[in-house]
Amino acid sequence: DTEVTQTPKHLVMGMTNKKSLKCEQHMGHRAMYWYKQKAKKPPELMFVYSYEKLSINESVPSRFSPECPNSSLLNLHLHALQPEDSALYLCASSPRLAGYQETQYFGPGTRLLVL
Amino acid sequence: AQSVSQHNHHVILSEAASLELGCNYSYGGTVNLFWYVQYPGQHLQLLLKYFSGDPLVKGIKGFEAEFIKSKFSFNLRKPSVQWSDTAEYFCAVNVVDGYGGSQGNLIFGKGTKLSVKP
Repeated sequence: DTEVTQTPKHLVMGMTNKKSLKCEQHMGHRAMYWYKQKAKKPPELMFVYSYEKLSINESVPSRFSPECPNSSLLNLHLHALQPEDSALYLCASSPRLAGYQETQYFGPGTRLLVL
Repeated sequence: AQSVSQHNHHVILSEAASLELGCNYSYGGTVNLFWYVQYPGQHLQLLLKYFSGDPLVKGIKGFEAEFIKSKFSFNLRKPSVQWSDTAEYFCAVNVVDGYGGSQGNLIFGKGTKLSVKP
């Protein structure tokens, strides 16, 4: 089973709202990732967690706050977003972060619209 | 910084035509190479990957790719496309560090949209 699930599928929020995106995997993977994908663009890495610790933060604005409560779950907390933050937010996981021959498996994404 | 180039932005083919999508990367060291596909309205799926060994790798749905180290290329091929292959195709690279481990981030190319006419 190579399934990564994400909820919600769609989210519309105002600029003053607080919302959270959720990602879950039960493959025993210890590395989890958040990517942002704008329309007609490739995914861009935002955050990487390895063994529940933040390993990489690609200079993402503080209005995005990641959280990894356990090895199966990854959240992305959103607060005071801007309309330009509207995008598809993808979660991925891999067995390890720095292991040899790691493959990342992607979830279906949450399509976010900020009004 | 490492980068991945996909030279074809949009490719339009008729069914049964042969496909080759180009992918070049800029990094002189060891890399892991991937092709992902994103069907309309669906999530990114792994098509195939290359880590080491035989430079010709076979993936799902009849796709294959060839790693040519001297050309820093990892082109995707399929001998006969079908309408159901209509999708966006992304090449991605993951750098392998000096200890044999891969760095965390996948570096994606800009993608190639493939449209197959029935």
